[in-house]
Amino acid sequence: EPEVTQTPSHQVTQMGQEVILRCVPISNHLYFYWYRQILGQKVEFLVSFYNNEISEKSEIFDDQFSVERPDGSNFTLKIRSTKLEDSAMYFCASSLERTGENEQFFGPGTRLTVL
Amino acid sequence: AQSVTQPDIHITVSEGASLELRCNYSYGATPYLFWYVQSPGQGLQLLLKYFSGDTLVQGIKGFEAEFKRSQSSFNLRKPSVHWSDAAEYFCAQIKAAGNKLTFGGGTRVLVKP
Repeated sequence: EPEVTQTPSHQVTQMGQEVILRCVPISNHLYFYWYRQILGQKVEFLVSFYNNEISEKSEIFDDQFSVERPDGSNFTLKIRSTKLEDSAMYFCASSLERTGENEQFFGPGTRLTVL
Repeated sequence: AQSVTQPDIHITVSEGASLELRCNYSYGATPYLFWYVQSPGQGLQLLLKYFSGDTLVQGIKGFEAEFKRSQSSFNLRKPSVHWSDAAEYFCAQIKAAGNKLTFGGGTRVLVKP
């Protein structure tokens, strides 16, 4: 069964460093998403991406964040200069078509720890 | 702003007993509603979804949920839980024209032998 994969599973970084979180969505999916979950808090939407551009982003997704689909398979989230409050579990998701009616399939997450 | 509320943070249930997890949404029109489950170390897996039609929806792993517009609720149920149902459960919604999921805070289910 096809699945969304994410690497690394755990990333530890120093405050101020750049990090890139990687995702491989399901191969025929067209819509891609990043969500994050700070420990003890809700899963929050960050950004959605379609046709090589951002289709929607939340207020959390400021200039420190960027997303890219550098090739036909990967979808990345870059945090330019990490802050302590960026520590969270980051989930990538993909869907075949524009949701609501289409399921978003989630990856297992990358736990980012900023020291 | 749309929001999803799961009033119960933790629920402990005995194996074989029934389970009901509460979810309330706040969106004027009928949203698309979802229940996801997250087992330790796993991603979010979709249990079931509701868009329209029959208000009682069946999902995977023996779960069902009932949409009640009058109560703005979408509660998840399972008649008889198994130890493998111990996990965190998230209710979520999407506005009809949107594509971002808004999640509730989650309910952690513990299953006693």
